[in-house]
Amino acid sequence: ETGVTQTPRHLVMGMTNKKSLKCEQHLGHNAMYWYKQSAKKPLELMFVYSLEERVENNSVPSRFSPECPNSSHLFLHLHTLQPEDSALYLCASSQKVGTGGEKLFFGSGTQLSVL
Amino acid sequence: GQNIDQPTEMTATEGAIVQINCTYQTSGFNGLFWYQQHAGEAPTFLSYNVLDGLEEKGRFSSFLSRSKGYSYLLLKELQMKDSASYLCACMDSNYQLIWGAGTKLIIKP
Repeated sequence: ETGVTQTPRHLVMGMTNKKSLKCEQHLGHNAMYWYKQSAKKPLELMFVYSLEERVENNSVPSRFSPECPNSSHLFLHLHTLQPEDSALYLCASSQKVGTGGEKLFFGSGTQLSVL
Repeated sequence: GQNIDQPTEMTATEGAIVQINCTYQTSGFNGLFWYQQHAGEAPTFLSYNVLDGLEEKGRFSSFLSRSKGYSYLLLKELQMKDSASYLCACMDSNYQLIWGAGTKLIIKP
């Protein structure tokens, strides 16, 4: 148990569907992240929220829309996805102190398949 | 460009020792992390090195040479539960994490 919970664990959706991924952290951290993990590829940082403000958006297509209503919750809203978006989506949190070395606490991820 | 290289897959025998290497090229350096990820599970933190040298934590040790842009993770007395992917990540001068693709470690009896 890492203190970061993601739901659902698995999701299959069609290209015209709209769905949302949910992440909740119970660690009192001040930063939350969405990562995409594809087989045999490095983790790709998608979005970063620090103190509920989006501080990073790594050129992610607009079909992915994040939402951070408070410091403990993070959502990723999905719409009109493409088959190449099929991957494991990982949420993580950390306590940012600005001096580096902050370790990330990851959730178990949502395995997304787009048909 | 920034780059992290680590072997795609390694195989080792239960009870043995294995060394997983990671080389990096980044804009600046603010430390190197190792994470372990079992299949279908969350990556979990193993180690953080920011100064040269070896840091030991039980059966796992992590080494860093900043001048060579090189790190390794050493696993001793291998157990079947050590079968997992091991992710190397380097923090650059902007405190951005640059990730390797991970090394899948297979432990055989």
